[in-house]
Amino acid sequence: DTGVSQDPRHKITKRGQNVTFRCDPISEHNRLYWYRQTLGQGPEFLTYFQNEAQLEKSRLLSDRFSAERPKGSFSTLEIQRTEQGDSAMYLCASSPSDEKLFFGSGTQLSVL
Amino acid sequence: AQKVTQAQTEISVVEKEDVTLDCVYETRDTTYYLFWYKQPPSGELVFLIRRNSFDEQNEISGRYSWNFQKSTSSFNFTITASQVVDSAVYFCALSEANYGQNFVFGPGTRLSVLP
Repeated sequence: DTGVSQDPRHKITKRGQNVTFRCDPISEHNRLYWYRQTLGQGPEFLTYFQNEAQLEKSRLLSDRFSAERPKGSFSTLEIQRTEQGDSAMYLCASSPSDEKLFFGSGTQLSVL
Repeated sequence: AQKVTQAQTEISVVEKEDVTLDCVYETRDTTYYLFWYKQPPSGELVFLIRRNSFDEQNEISGRYSWNFQKSTSSFNFTITASQVVDSAVYFCALSEANYGQNFVFGPGTRLSVLP
């Protein structure tokens, strides 16, 4: 068990470009969450998967954001036409139930 | 709606002092879960404790203790004899059993323990 893995750790992009992040949850965890954290704030919920089904999406997730979890294993979060306001730490977490979340180290996105 | 408030933005203490971090929550559900997470400078959120809404017993784990009071909707966290390694941002979080599956986090309290 290597924990939740996120790739890349850092991403610098120019405004208007598309970016994609990957999350590999702890194996056999059926729940997977994406959160966004900006400096000095707590994590904000973006979306949640149970297996391959995306069951809940936050209003924060505009139509430029899309997340997938094919086959209920790893997940990707894509941001299209990035804006400077998208700069943040994107956190992935997995859980075997609603007991607790296991977080990855996050992907730090900087949009120039 | 779910909401978690951590009124203390930053706290500084000297090593070996006791410190209490406050957490107040709002929920419409009768079944819910409360959590504390630690985020050290390395950035990865580390789980500390989970309590369900039916268990109001206080809990102690080493130098850490938690005081859950439903009457005041509070779930406070005390570190006894603080150490420099306790320096981190601490987040309180709430998960409702019947109204969605997302965990709502408070804004966090930055604790600095000075040697």
